Amino acid sequence: DAGVIQSPRHEVTEMGQEVTLRCKPISGHDYLFWYRQTMMRGLELLIYFNNNVPIDDSGMPEDRFSAKMPNASFSTLKIQPSEPRDSAVYFCASSLNSASGREQYFGPGTRLTVT
Amino acid sequence: RKEVEQDPGPFNVPEGATVAFNCTYSNSASQSFFWYRQDCRKEPKLLMSVYSSGNEDGRFTAQLNRASQYISLLIRDSKLSDSATYLCVVGDYKLSFGAGTTVTVRA
Repeated sequence: DAGVIQSPRHEVTEMGQEVTLRCKPISGHDYLFWYRQTMMRGLELLIYFNNNVPIDDSGMPEDRFSAKMPNASFSTLKIQPSEPRDSAVYFCASSLNSASGREQYFGPGTRLTVT
Repeated sequence: RKEVEQDPGPFNVPEGATVAFNCTYSNSASQSFFWYRQDCRKEPKLLMSVYSSGNEDGRFTAQLNRASQYISLLIRDSKLSDSATYLCVVGDYKLSFGAGTTVTVRA
Protein backbone atom coordinates (compact mmCIF):
# COMPACT_ATOMS: atom_id res chain seq x y z
CA ASP A 1 0.00 0.00 0.00
CA ALA A 2 1.25 3.49 -0.79
CA GLY A 3 0.35 4.84 2.63
CA VAL A 4 -1.27 8.20 3.26
CA ILE A 5 -0.46 10.66 0.50
CA GLN A 6 -0.38 14.41 1.01
CA SER A 7 0.20 17.27 -1.37
CA PRO A 8 1.85 19.63 -1.66
CA ARG A 9 4.80 18.71 0.55
CA HIS A 10 5.79 22.36 0.90
CA GLU A 11 3.74 25.50 0.42
CA VAL A 12 4.91 29.09 0.73
CA THR A 13 2.27 31.74 0.34
CA GLU A 14 1.59 35.34 1.22
CA MET A 15 -0.76 36.46 3.92
CA GLY A 16 -4.31 36.73 2.64
CA GLN A 17 -4.00 34.02 0.02
CA GLU A 18 -6.07 30.85 -0.06
CA VAL A 19 -4.27 27.61 0.70
CA THR A 20 -5.59 24.13 -0.09
CA LEU A 21 -3.98 21.02 1.34
CA ARG A 22 -4.83 17.60 -0.03
CA CYS A 23 -4.88 14.10 1.41
CA LYS A 24 -5.47 10.59 0.10
CA PRO A 25 -5.98 8.11 2.96
CA ILE A 26 -4.97 4.46 2.94
CA SER A 27 -7.46 2.49 0.90
CA GLY A 28 -10.11 0.88 3.08
CA HIS A 29 -9.57 3.12 6.08
CA ASP A 30 -12.79 4.68 7.31
CA TYR A 31 -11.38 7.41 9.56
CA LEU A 32 -9.44 10.46 8.40
CA PHE A 33 -7.82 13.03 10.65
CA TRP A 34 -6.23 16.44 10.05
CA TYR A 35 -3.57 17.62 12.51
CA ARG A 36 -1.40 20.69 12.83
CA GLN A 37 2.03 20.61 14.50
CA THR A 38 4.07 23.54 15.76
CA MET A 39 6.96 23.76 18.20
CA MET A 40 4.87 25.80 20.62
CA ARG A 41 1.65 23.77 20.60
CA GLY A 42 2.76 20.30 19.56
CA LEU A 43 0.40 18.07 17.58
CA GLU A 44 -3.19 19.36 17.55
CA LEU A 45 -6.20 17.57 16.10
CA LEU A 46 -8.14 19.91 13.85
CA ILE A 47 -10.97 17.72 12.54
CA TYR A 48 -11.78 14.10 11.82
CA PHE A 49 -14.12 12.24 9.51
CA ASN A 50 -15.76 8.83 9.68
CA ASN A 51 -17.04 7.39 6.42
CA ASN A 52 -16.60 10.82 4.81
CA VAL A 53 -18.75 12.56 7.44
CA PRO A 54 -17.17 15.20 9.72
CA ILE A 55 -17.50 13.98 13.31
CA ASP A 56 -15.60 16.49 15.39
CA ASP A 57 -14.33 19.84 14.17
CA SER A 58 -13.83 21.38 17.59
CA GLY A 59 -10.12 21.74 16.92
CA MET A 60 -10.55 23.93 13.87
CA PRO A 61 -9.11 27.24 15.05
CA GLU A 62 -11.30 29.67 13.17
CA ASP A 63 -13.82 30.08 10.41
CA ARG A 64 -10.89 30.63 8.09
CA PHE A 65 -10.32 26.89 8.22
CA SER A 66 -12.57 24.41 6.45
CA ALA A 67 -12.27 20.73 5.56
CA LYS A 68 -14.14 18.47 3.20
CA MET A 69 -14.14 14.80 2.32
CA PRO A 70 -16.14 14.36 -0.89
CA ASN A 71 -15.32 10.65 -1.14
CA ALA A 72 -13.49 7.88 0.66
CA SER A 73 -10.21 8.55 -1.10
CA PHE A 74 -9.82 12.30 -0.91
CA SER A 75 -9.94 15.13 1.60
CA THR A 76 -8.99 18.79 1.57
CA LEU A 77 -8.14 21.32 4.24
CA LYS A 78 -8.55 24.91 3.16
CA ILE A 79 -7.37 28.11 4.80
CA GLN A 80 -8.85 31.33 3.52
CA PRO A 81 -7.46 33.88 4.09
CA SER A 82 -4.13 32.60 5.36
CA GLU A 83 -2.18 34.37 8.13
CA PRO A 84 1.45 34.07 9.29
CA ARG A 85 0.34 32.30 12.49
CA ASP A 86 -1.01 29.47 10.31
CA SER A 87 2.58 28.49 9.50
CA ALA A 88 2.98 24.90 10.67
CA VAL A 89 3.24 21.32 9.45
CA TYR A 90 -0.17 19.90 8.60
CA PHE A 91 -0.53 16.14 8.81
CA CYS A 92 -3.27 13.92 7.52
CA ALA A 93 -3.75 10.49 9.11
CA SER A 94 -6.10 7.59 8.54
CA SER A 95 -7.20 4.59 10.54
CA LEU A 96 -9.40 1.54 10.34
CA ASN A 97 -12.10 0.76 12.86
CA SER A 98 -11.12 -2.75 13.85
CA ALA A 99 -11.25 -4.88 16.94
CA SER A 100 -7.48 -5.18 16.91
CA GLY A 101 -6.82 -1.50 17.36
CA ARG A 102 -7.32 2.02 16.06
CA GLU A 103 -3.78 3.09 15.34
CA GLN A 104 -3.43 5.98 12.96
CA TYR A 105 -1.08 6.16 10.01
CA PHE A 106 0.29 9.55 9.09
CA GLY A 107 1.15 11.09 5.77
CA PRO A 108 4.46 12.93 5.29
CA GLY A 109 2.86 16.28 6.02
CA THR A 110 2.61 19.63 4.29
CA ARG A 111 4.99 22.28 5.57
CA LEU A 112 3.13 25.59 5.25
CA THR A 113 4.85 28.94 5.48
CA VAL A 114 2.74 32.09 5.33
CA THR A 115 4.73 35.28 4.89
CA ARG B 1 -4.78 19.76 32.57
CA LYS B 2 -3.40 18.15 29.42
CA GLU B 3 -4.91 14.81 28.44
CA VAL B 4 -1.48 13.21 28.09
CA GLU B 5 1.56 14.42 30.01
CA GLN B 6 5.14 13.39 29.27
CA ASP B 7 8.55 14.28 30.61
CA PRO B 8 10.04 16.17 27.65
CA GLY B 9 13.58 15.04 28.48
CA PRO B 10 15.98 15.10 26.81
CA PHE B 11 17.33 11.72 27.81
CA ASN B 12 20.92 11.58 26.67
CA VAL B 13 22.29 8.04 26.88
CA PRO B 14 25.30 6.12 25.54
CA GLU B 15 24.94 3.33 23.04
CA GLY B 16 24.05 0.07 24.70
CA ALA B 17 22.36 1.70 27.68
CA THR B 18 18.81 1.14 28.85
CA VAL B 19 16.48 4.12 28.93
CA ALA B 20 12.97 4.24 30.31
CA PHE B 21 10.32 6.91 30.54
CA ASN B 22 6.59 7.12 31.00
CA CYS B 23 3.54 9.27 30.57
CA THR B 24 0.29 9.82 32.42
CA TYR B 25 -3.17 10.26 30.97
CA SER B 26 -6.31 11.84 32.40
CA ASN B 27 -9.18 10.03 30.69
CA SER B 28 -9.80 6.77 32.51
CA ALA B 29 -12.22 5.68 29.76
CA SER B 30 -9.45 5.54 27.16
CA GLN B 31 -9.32 2.24 25.28
CA SER B 32 -6.33 2.50 22.98
CA PHE B 33 -2.73 3.14 23.93
CA PHE B 34 0.30 3.54 21.69
CA TRP B 35 3.84 4.74 21.48
CA TYR B 36 4.74 6.63 18.33
CA ARG B 37 8.16 7.72 17.22
CA GLN B 38 8.84 10.99 15.42
CA ASP B 39 12.13 11.86 13.78
CA CYS B 40 13.07 15.47 13.13
CA ARG B 41 10.96 16.98 10.35
CA LYS B 42 9.16 13.70 9.73
CA GLU B 43 5.70 12.34 10.43
CA PRO B 44 4.88 10.36 13.60
CA LYS B 45 5.16 6.63 13.04
CA LEU B 46 3.62 3.88 15.09
CA LEU B 47 6.22 2.18 17.27
CA MET B 48 3.98 -0.20 19.16
CA SER B 49 0.58 -0.67 20.72
CA VAL B 50 0.41 -1.00 24.50
CA TYR B 51 -1.64 -3.67 26.23
CA SER B 52 -2.60 -4.12 29.85
CA SER B 53 -0.56 -7.29 30.08
CA GLY B 54 2.53 -5.48 28.84
CA ASN B 55 4.18 -6.25 25.56
CA GLU B 56 7.59 -6.46 24.01
CA ASP B 57 8.84 -5.82 20.50
CA GLY B 58 12.52 -6.60 20.19
CA ARG B 59 14.41 -4.16 22.38
CA PHE B 60 11.27 -2.21 23.25
CA THR B 61 8.97 -3.01 26.17
CA ALA B 62 5.75 -1.16 26.91
CA GLN B 63 3.62 -1.35 30.04
CA LEU B 64 0.18 0.00 30.84
CA ASN B 65 -1.08 0.64 34.36
CA ARG B 66 -4.78 1.44 34.12
CA ALA B 67 -5.24 1.92 37.86
CA SER B 68 -2.59 4.64 38.00
CA GLN B 69 -3.22 5.80 34.44
CA TYR B 70 0.33 5.68 33.22
CA ILE B 71 2.18 4.07 30.35
CA SER B 72 5.85 3.29 30.18
CA LEU B 73 8.39 2.56 27.46
CA LEU B 74 11.74 0.89 28.02
CA ILE B 75 14.45 0.67 25.37
CA ARG B 76 17.21 -1.86 25.94
CA ASP B 77 20.62 -1.89 24.27
CA SER B 78 20.10 1.58 22.78
CA LYS B 79 21.22 2.21 19.22
CA LEU B 80 22.16 5.50 17.60
CA SER B 81 19.11 5.01 15.39
CA ASP B 82 16.84 5.12 18.46
CA SER B 83 17.46 8.87 18.73
CA ALA B 84 14.04 10.42 18.21
CA THR B 85 11.07 11.93 19.99
CA TYR B 86 8.71 9.36 21.47
CA LEU B 87 5.04 10.29 21.64
CA CYS B 88 2.67 8.76 24.15
CA VAL B 89 -0.76 8.35 22.56
CA VAL B 90 -4.07 7.60 24.26
CA GLY B 91 -7.68 7.53 23.19
CA ASP B 92 -10.20 5.65 21.14
CA TYR B 93 -11.23 6.68 17.62
CA LYS B 94 -9.90 10.09 18.53
CA LEU B 95 -6.34 9.99 19.86
CA SER B 96 -4.59 12.43 22.17
CA PHE B 97 -0.87 12.86 21.68
CA GLY B 98 1.61 13.81 24.35
CA ALA B 99 4.19 16.48 23.60
CA GLY B 100 6.89 13.84 23.34
CA THR B 101 10.03 12.68 25.13
CA THR B 102 13.28 13.34 23.32
CA VAL B 103 15.91 10.60 23.42
CA THR B 104 19.43 11.09 22.14
CA VAL B 105 21.73 8.10 21.96
CA ARG B 106 25.42 9.01 21.72
CA ALA B 107 28.30 6.93 20.43
